[in-house]
Amino acid sequence: EVQLVETGGGLVQPGRSLKLSCVASGFTFSSYWMYWIRQAPGKGLEWVSSINTDGGSTYYPDSVKGRFTISRDNAENTVYLQMNSLRSEDTATYYCAKDEGGPFAYWGQGTLVTVSS
Amino acid sequence: DIQMTQSPSLLSASVGDRVTLSCKASQNIYKYLNWYQQKLGEAPKLLIYYTNSLQTGIPSRFSGSGSGTDYTLTISSLQPEDVATYFCQQYNSWWTFGGGTKLELK
Repeated sequence: EVQLVETGGGLVQPGRSLKLSCVASGFTFSSYWMYWIRQAPGKGLEWVSSINTDGGSTYYPDSVKGRFTISRDNAENTVYLQMNSLRSEDTATYYCAKDEGGPFAYWGQGTLVTVSS
Repeated sequence: DIQMTQSPSLLSASVGDRVTLSCKASQNIYKYLNWYQQKLGEAPKLLIYYTNSLQTGIPSRFSGSGSGTDYTLTISSLQPEDVATYFCQQYNSWWTFGGGTKLELK
């Protein structure tokens, strides 16, 4: 059974940093791209970052480019999201997701990040 | 960037109704369109992928159709457990979600 478990969320002041982790199990982690997707309270979904199988290629939308960094440790079955220079608009539940050749077939339960002074 | 627009934003329907949700892309996405269901307090769940393929374990009352820029999710006979917010998502160019349609019981 595929499982994705996110940790690392919490309350952080504007301008500070936070690092999220997502531990995967139930599949061959090193064979799949991994993603972070966020959802602001009461709002829609926004793709935040993607990483290829060996970690050599990463992708971001303009809203987080230069501030967020995705990485992975295939030995530990873990994907990370380093978030720097956090803003109030980054407040959201952050989900880790695994695709199945296109769709996001598996999602974690999410971890809430609140950026506030 | 490809923008996804869903309509309506809120839909009220009765149990047993046939329900249709719409999703429009700002440019041709060549059927690279997925639908997700999100119940309150839960993570999204994949329902339909590549426009009309039903994800394993999803009831057959859910179906998808469309092409080009216009796509539809249909629930053939609404059940109480279908109350949720539904999101479309394109993956032709990067990944973009629609704003969602909240489905409630009348």
